[in-house]
Amino acid sequence: EAAVTQSPRNKVAVTGGKVTLSCNQTNNHNNMYWYRQDTGHGLRLIHYSYGAGSTEKGDIPDGYKASRPSQENFSLILELATPSQTSVYFCASGAGLGDSYEQYFGPGTRLTVL
Amino acid sequence: QQKVQQSPESLIVPEGGMASLNCTFSDRNSQYFWWYRQHSGEGPKALMSIFSNGDKKEGRFTAHLNKASLYVSLHIKDSQPSDSALYFCAVSISQGGRALIFGTGTTVSVSP
Repeated sequence: EAAVTQSPRNKVAVTGGKVTLSCNQTNNHNNMYWYRQDTGHGLRLIHYSYGAGSTEKGDIPDGYKASRPSQENFSLILELATPSQTSVYFCASGAGLGDSYEQYFGPGTRLTVL
Repeated sequence: QQKVQQSPESLIVPEGGMASLNCTFSDRNSQYFWWYRQHSGEGPKALMSIFSNGDKKEGRFTAHLNKASLYVSLHIKDSQPSDSALYFCAVSISQGGRALIFGTGTTVSVSP
């Protein structure tokens, strides 16, 4: 089965600090995604990538940057963390080919910004 | 932009009972529909997909799609305690790339 791992699993950061969330997939999927999950909002797309070297803005990109240095790795970067970015973050990968649209999610990172 | 809305917000169903989850979407170009399930403390996992109008059954789960009515539903027959989870409807308008728009979810609790 497809495998997506995230690190760290839990993170406490201070307001104004820099936070990097990492994601690794061993599925050789071209597409990778970063979502945040908040009660009442479901899953909202922050950034996504079509492959190494590419990043695209999702629906809520403000305050976030993304980096895709390789097929396997996709990072989400909060340059100046704010308390409003306290959330659970999920990374996902998907082939995005044909009519197979399944996305495989990691276990999530719980981020608390104090 | 595509809006995906789910109802009810939460649902309590007795063990062995039927759970019915609803999802409406706004973009008539929508083509691909997924149901994802998320157990507490885990990431979402795809439960089933439906791409054509009508019903699709997989075990105890049946999805129904009516593109003209902008509606998709999920029915869980003979609900088990392990079905207690957050269920998301996800919709896409095209293949590849940008991916899915998720609804806000329905929490299903199966009472023994």
